[in-house]
Amino acid sequence: DAGVIQSPRHEVTEMGQEVTLRCKPISGHDYLFWYRQTMMRGLELLIYFNNNVPIDDSGMPEDRFSAKMPNASFSTLKIQPSEPRDSAVYFCASSLGGSPLHFGNGTRLTVT
Amino acid sequence: AQKITQTQPGMFVQEKEAVTLDCTYDTSDPSYGLFWYKQPSSGEMIFLIYQGSYDQQNATEGRYSLNFQKARKSANLVISASQLGDSAMYFCAMRDLSGRHKLIFGTGTRLQVFP
Repeated sequence: DAGVIQSPRHEVTEMGQEVTLRCKPISGHDYLFWYRQTMMRGLELLIYFNNNVPIDDSGMPEDRFSAKMPNASFSTLKIQPSEPRDSAVYFCASSLGGSPLHFGNGTRLTVT
Repeated sequence: AQKITQTQPGMFVQEKEAVTLDCTYDTSDPSYGLFWYKQPSSGEMIFLIYQGSYDQQNATEGRYSLNFQKARKSANLVISASQLGDSAMYFCAMRDLSGRHKLIFGTGTRLQVFP
């Protein structure tokens, strides 16, 4: 299995621009999670899906952030407009039921 | 509400010695899972070990073991015979298994293994 695939690996953008992060979970997994990692705040859960349905988005920082999962093999996390404080590593992870999460390699976002 | 606490920001251990990384948790869910992940400097998140709340025995995976004390709500990771390659960040995580399957992480412990 290819594992969880995230793209891009690195993203550098200017403040105010729209940013879209992409994730392909492991085939057959029914849970998908988005986390953000920073030195100050650690690993924060942003949102997670079960069978493509958002279950809990209470961790999404504000309305500038949105996430979708149009089908079982694809999810996006969008930031519009982006701000310098959004700079972080964004991880996507998937699991089958309550089994351990498998993580992608992350997207390092830098907003200047 | 779920809560995970790792009180050790950093730990040092000499090569070949054992080390214990602390993790306490709080939850009202009757069924939950506890996980440990390793994050080396390269950044990837590597699953190490899992303990279910109803498991009678402590989990072990090679040099990793989980010291699960349910009454104390602790799930400490024990690494035996430390190796230089064990130097990394270690995260404890908890997942609710009785309903929404939410998974949250502690703040992590940075382990440094010295020769």
